[in-house]
Amino acid sequence: GEDVEQSLFLSVREGDSSVINCTYTDSSSTYLYWYKQEPGAGLQLLTYIFSNMDMKQDQRLTVLLNKKDKHLSLRIADTQTGDSAIYFCAERRGRGSTLGRLYFGRGTQLTVWP
Amino acid sequence: SQTIHQWPATLVQPVGSPLSLECTVEGTSNPNLYWYRQAAGRGLQLLFYSVGIGQISSEVPQNLSASRPQDRQFILSSKKLLLSDSGFYLCAWSVILGQAKQETQYFGPGTRLLVL
Repeated sequence: GEDVEQSLFLSVREGDSSVINCTYTDSSSTYLYWYKQEPGAGLQLLTYIFSNMDMKQDQRLTVLLNKKDKHLSLRIADTQTGDSAIYFCAERRGRGSTLGRLYFGRGTQLTVWP
Repeated sequence: SQTIHQWPATLVQPVGSPLSLECTVEGTSNPNLYWYRQAAGRGLQLLFYSVGIGQISSEVPQNLSASRPQDRQFILSSKKLLLSDSGFYLCAWSVILGQAKQETQYFGPGTRLLVL
């Protein structure tokens, strides 16, 4: 399809791991991003991964990329109540794409219960 | 370091009134600039982007227009607001780095617009 797809909701207990999944559209996408949006605020860049990588780890965040299936995931270890937010997946498409054009999913609302 | 500002933060306007939202970026030169709208349902819709002064590309035909009078200033306007223009408007900037052409978009705090 043409849309970047994400589950709309995810609930986890504090201290557990969270895994947010995303399916993107273009096998030639060069960069894939995860953004976090807290209530009433703009989007904050969390991390990104270049398409020639399978995994990227940054403290509690682990990004996994499966290019064959066009699947991207974000794992948050030891999830805290402060991680509650909407998480957006975005792809920068490759060949023929408009310079700088990112395509966003609809966002996954992560709720962390104490 | 780079910062991006948007104002106003919140705006309530009557239907048919004009609109002007401003976005400015500090600490970088010749950025790409973007306007997004986030309506109910949370998806981000790209409205306009600009790769330089006076260069505006529109993604979706609509009641809005954009202008870039200076390198680091991006303005979103309307002559007559519609109810459907309500939403959360986000400005973003980006630069392209290195041979790998890595580009990341950084977002402003947003303007919440309610049209009544």
